[in-house]
Amino acid sequence: GQNIDQPTEMTATEGAIVQINCTYQTSGFNGLFWYQQHAGEAPTFLSYNVLDGLEEKGRFSSFLSRSKGYSYLLLKELQMKDSASYLCAVRDSGGYNKLIFGAGTRLAVHP
Amino acid sequence: DGGITQSPKYLFRKEGQNVTLSCEQNLNHDAMYWYRQDPGQGLRLIYYSQIVNDFQKGDIAEGYSVSREKKESFPLTVTSAQKNPTAFYLCASSMDYGYTFGSGTRLTVV
Repeated sequence: GQNIDQPTEMTATEGAIVQINCTYQTSGFNGLFWYQQHAGEAPTFLSYNVLDGLEEKGRFSSFLSRSKGYSYLLLKELQMKDSASYLCAVRDSGGYNKLIFGAGTRLAVHP
Repeated sequence: DGGITQSPKYLFRKEGQNVTLSCEQNLNHDAMYWYRQDPGQGLRLIYYSQIVNDFQKGDIAEGYSVSREKKESFPLTVTSAQKNPTAFYLCASSMDYGYTFGSGTRLTVV
């Protein structure tokens, strides 16, 4: 079966750091993606991990542990515009490269 | 500029009607996907296609149909058999590990 779990909601303060966790159990694995989505809009790409370890890109970092089926997205120096949903997605290892999404985490950033 | 175009942005359907959502890409991507998103939820896969004239059912294909007659186009038909079609529909395409999403179509049953 395919199961991707994320917290439903999180809140944080402007300027702070927040970590959004994602655990997955999938029949195949060929990489993990994080997307940001504002309400009513398409998801936008944030990060991609296929090997264990940390990937850093500006204020955003993402970590992957394949043995634990675990990833997190770290957002630093939070800004009000970071209020959005954050989607964890696993790419299937089959030939079609399907993306399997978690339900998303709604992050609210407060002043 | 290359990208994916979904149309229309908003669509209203009467109960019992079939409607078709358009998805066109000029990225020369082989694979295309249709996802459905309900309020406060993640994306669920409806149908996907790797090449022309080939497509596969996703997790929630019942009540939907697709075609892939051209590489650039992957229209989704929401049939009357889909009992709860009100949702946000997203089309995507991919090559290698990169995915590009369209801006979405919001379908409402009236």
